[in-house]
Amino acid sequence: GAVVSQHPSWVICKSGTSVKIECRSLDFQATTMFWYRQFPKQSLMLMATSNEGSKATYEQGVEKDKFLINHASLTLSTLTVTSAHPEDSSFYICSARDIGQGEYGYTFGSGTRLTVV
Amino acid sequence: ILNVEQSPQSLHVQEGDSTNFTCSFPSSNFYALHWYRWETAKSPEALFVMTLNGDEKKKGRISATLNTKEGYSYLYIKGSQPEDSATYLCASSGYSTLTFGKGTMLLVSP
Repeated sequence: GAVVSQHPSWVICKSGTSVKIECRSLDFQATTMFWYRQFPKQSLMLMATSNEGSKATYEQGVEKDKFLINHASLTLSTLTVTSAHPEDSSFYICSARDIGQGEYGYTFGSGTRLTVV
Repeated sequence: ILNVEQSPQSLHVQEGDSTNFTCSFPSSNFYALHWYRWETAKSPEALFVMTLNGDEKKKGRISATLNTKEGYSYLYIKGSQPEDSATYLCASSGYSTLTFGKGTMLLVSP
């Protein structure tokens, strides 16, 4: 089946530094990738949708200058948290969509736990 | 904005018990309802995708039903096993994005 690899699985960084999270579709081409964030006891909240070769679409309230998304190829999307602060500590997870599978085409990575100290 | 609600928030059952969870979603502009099984440190695993009112799907001991008119879906697990312990997520899709509930955390004790 479809596999999405997300790295790193956890990261601790100092306040003010930037952190990059990678999301790769291993055996299919993902024209669209999604980035979610989950705070404790909350649901997965969509942050942005990225389409290969074009600018990401951010959800309301998500700072595009803080959360930089790059989707340069059909198998790789990256999320960079710039100038991270403790309030950015959260669980981030990506999803890649294989459009050829219709509604069955959403495959998730295993997530990244970010802690900013 | 879609609001997806799941209940209960958590559930603790004994091995062999049957259990069920509820997912409610806005019935307007409904497109599809997804169920995922999510174990800690792993990727959410797709269980079912349901689109038609009255639809019922089954995968082994797990089954799900869908009522799009009233906006709810049930997930049933028959004869729960410890390996069923996980968080079960439902999500409603509109066009291409998924809106998730908070999940139901199931713990099955031997």
